[in-house]
Amino acid sequence: EVQLVESGGGLVQPGGSLRLSCVASGFTYRIYWMSWVRQASGKGLEWVANLKGDGSQKYYVDSVRGRFSISRDNTNNLLFLDMNNLRVEDTAVYYCVRDDWGPSKTWGQGTLVTVSS
Amino acid sequence: DVLMTQSPLSLSVTLGQPASISCKSSQSLVHSNGNTYLHWIQQRPGQSPRRLIYRVSNRDSGVPDRFSGSGSGTDFTLEISRVEAEDVGVYYCLQGSHWPPWTFGQGTRVEIK
Repeated sequence: EVQLVESGGGLVQPGGSLRLSCVASGFTYRIYWMSWVRQASGKGLEWVANLKGDGSQKYYVDSVRGRFSISRDNTNNLLFLDMNNLRVEDTAVYYCVRDDWGPSKTWGQGTLVTVSS
Repeated sequence: DVLMTQSPLSLSVTLGQPASISCKSSQSLVHSNGNTYLHWIQQRPGQSPRRLIYRVSNRDSGVPDRFSGSGSGTDFTLEISRVEAEDVGVYYCLQGSHWPPWTFGQGTRVEIK
């Protein structure tokens, strides 16, 4: 059974940084693309970034490119999102999902990032 | 980017009655490999999203058979044959055929009348 557990969210001031983590289990992690998807409170879902299984290709939504960096540790089944120069509009719950040309069936509980002064 | 447009954005349904949500894409979602990566996501109040339907019409395990997906090209539909109380929430379509980025519809809020 696919399980995804996100962590690392918190309150940060505008311009600050944060690192999100996701631990995956229940599937052969290293062969799958992985994505981050976010959801601002009361709003819809927005894809943020994804990363190929071997780490060789990565893509970002325009609004975070140059500020966020996605990476992974295939030894420990971990996915990361390093977020720099955070803006108020980055405030959201962040989910990691297995990338199956779209999200897999199971999502984690998400981790809340709040950017506020 | 592919624009996904859902309608209606809100739906009030009597228990046991059917419901239908439309999703239209700004370009065909048929990938060059022949597959159509159009999926439906359910988000119940206070819960994480979960995928209901993948590749247009395939129900995920554990999803009741009252949920069905159909469509092709640019026009897709999610139908609930008989709405139950547990179906309350927001439903999103999303496309993974032309990425980056995946793009989501605005969401359709389903409530019980």
